[in-house]
Amino acid sequence: DSGVTQTPKHLITATGQRVTLRCSPRSGDLSVYWYQQSLDQGLQFLIQYYNGEERAKGNILERFSAQQFPDLHSELNLSSLELGDSALYFCASSSKGGNYGYTFGSGTRLTVV
Amino acid sequence: AQSVTQLDSQVPVFEEAPVELRCNYSSSVSVYLFWYVQYPNQGLQLLLKYLSGSTLVKGINGFEAEFNKSQTSFHLRKPSVHISDTAEYFCAVSERGRDDKIIFGKGTRLHILP
Repeated sequence: DSGVTQTPKHLITATGQRVTLRCSPRSGDLSVYWYQQSLDQGLQFLIQYYNGEERAKGNILERFSAQQFPDLHSELNLSSLELGDSALYFCASSSKGGNYGYTFGSGTRLTVV
Repeated sequence: AQSVTQLDSQVPVFEEAPVELRCNYSSSVSVYLFWYVQYPNQGLQLLLKYLSGSTLVKGINGFEAEFNKSQTSFHLRKPSVHISDTAEYFCAVSERGRDDKIIFGKGTRLHILP
């Protein structure tokens, strides 16, 4: 157990729907990072939050949004889902900053049908 | 912006043989470098990292990597692999002094042959 908790582990939903992925960082970690892993694109950085504020943005679609709450857990919202959004979504957290490496959760596998 | 190239998408190697997984990076500033491993159906686990100092970095499970600034490389090596090393290995880079996001390569799948 890495200490980073992601729920749910698996999610199957239809095109056009909206889902929310949840991440609880390791105790004491202020930064949360979201990544999308797909076979064709590899691991793509989506977005980073630090202590409730957005810190960096990557290849995140406008249909996707995220936030980090006062208790430091984070949610990734995916809307108007398309077949191509099917992927593994990872959350990671760090205490000293990502420059020292992250701790990853076990991921949420999203299947859009 | 930084980028990472892993030169081999798959590497087959016999059990107890040595292995090298190649990684090159590109950045206009100094970097931190990482290798992560992903076992089947699991998240990513940090193998080792280079922050500063000695260019030879030792990690978990007998792996080591060498930072070569002139060749912008950070190759991962293990002198003798075991069947349990079957996994996907990701090289990654983060730029010093900027936002601390980590950019990953596309991964190298290590196949251990009996």
